[in-house]
Amino acid sequence: EADIYQTPRYLVIGTGKKITLECSQTMGHDKMYWYQQDPGMELHLIHYSYGVNSTEKGDLSSESTVSRIRTEHFPLTLESARPSHTSQYLCASRVYNEQFFGPGTRLTVL
Amino acid sequence: GDSVTQMEGPVTLSEEAFLTINCTYTATGYPSLFWYVQYPGEGLQLLLKATKADDKGSNKGFEATYRKETTSFHLEKGSVQVSDSAVYFCALADFGNEKLTFGTGTRLTIIP
Repeated sequence: EADIYQTPRYLVIGTGKKITLECSQTMGHDKMYWYQQDPGMELHLIHYSYGVNSTEKGDLSSESTVSRIRTEHFPLTLESARPSHTSQYLCASRVYNEQFFGPGTRLTVL
Repeated sequence: GDSVTQMEGPVTLSEEAFLTINCTYTATGYPSLFWYVQYPGEGLQLLLKATKADDKGSNKGFEATYRKETTSFHLEKGSVQVSDSAVYFCALADFGNEKLTFGTGTRLTIIP
């Protein structure tokens, strides 16, 4: 059983607010990922990390930023949230070829 | 580049029906193949996997066989239950590629 946690699970905020979505894993995996999932279900990779101090942009351009100061922690930040950021955000970690996903954060920006 | 093509949904079946969700792929190397399942309000869970040609992955009554000659990894279950209602994603991991490639997902609904 993979141990990867995301908080909050649900978040409703107003336009212009700064938010941070938390993601933590206790498995010691070096590789971590953030996906944005649209209502049509498709997954879009927005950020990933090979390990501490490594961050890369994914396939879908995103106004969010990430940091990786500790192996177990990979937070995603939006400096100024907009309604277009409303989505489900999924965090994952990987070992060898297997990815383990967190439960997701459903973000609604009003 | 790598790609995964998945059967479009939504798919609606009666309980105890036979399920097939088609998945084909293109890859430059010899990828590992996966099926993930996403239940309502949750993240993705690994359902099954296969790492080489002719391997069969199985879990919870679901099966998929890695067919290199047809570049396919179709998901099957002999008798579906209402609790199988979820979104199913086919995915591949190509050696040396740090990113998984996902299909677009197939929403499955099982009616009693």
